[in-house]
Amino acid sequence: QTVVTQEPSFSVSPGGTVTLTCGLSSGSVSTTYLPSWYQQTPGQTPRTLIYSTNTRSSGVPDRFSGSILGNKAALTITGAQADDESDYYCVLYMGSGIWVFGGGTKLTVL
Amino acid sequence: QLQLQESGPGLVKSSETLSLTCSVSGGSISGSSYYWGWIRQSPGKGLEWIGSIHYSGSTYYNPSLKSRVVISVDTSKKQFSLKLSSVSAADTAVFYCARHIGGYSGGFGYWGQGTQVTVSS
Repeated sequence: QTVVTQEPSFSVSPGGTVTLTCGLSSGSVSTTYLPSWYQQTPGQTPRTLIYSTNTRSSGVPDRFSGSILGNKAALTITGAQADDESDYYCVLYMGSGIWVFGGGTKLTVL
Repeated sequence: QLQLQESGPGLVKSSETLSLTCSVSGGSISGSSYYWGWIRQSPGKGLEWIGSIHYSGSTYYNPSLKSRVVISVDTSKKQFSLKLSSVSAADTAVFYCARHIGGYSGGFGYWGQGTQVTVSS
């Protein structure tokens, strides 16, 4: 069974830029996997940031952007702020109606 | 503003069936491009897609849960439901209902606030 991989943790300095990735244990991620990204702080409902690779959800600032980088989907945050400190999840469409979430990346802003 | 609200028992006994309902307000449940899903999050763990349904009744399930899951929709009540049978402690989680965005292809765009379900022995 294919596993969706994410960095377990990442850190960024305030004002800095960070790129989180979403890959596959076997194979490459392309736009056909329809990657989407979610932000979640502890105890809160996930917030949709990006869907269909690079479409920002309503109200999401343009500091957040999605793309394909190499063989992975990527979420780039520019001008990191303290309240960007959260868990970030990606989900990929595997075909046949099946979605698989990555394990999440814990982002620290310090 | 579309709103989703989960409801159901917060405590289920081991080996029994977990039943949750998601009520939709502020929008239609029956749009041709509207797909509705269930996602869960075990304590301290990540998100897991359980399954999704179209208002027409077409369903898609996580293969690892497929033998125990049934998702249904009641358009007259603007609700869709989850049944998970033969539960164990491993099924203890926060359960979220959600609507896919941009048809089925857009991931999950709208989320309920989530409901905690604990499986007891």
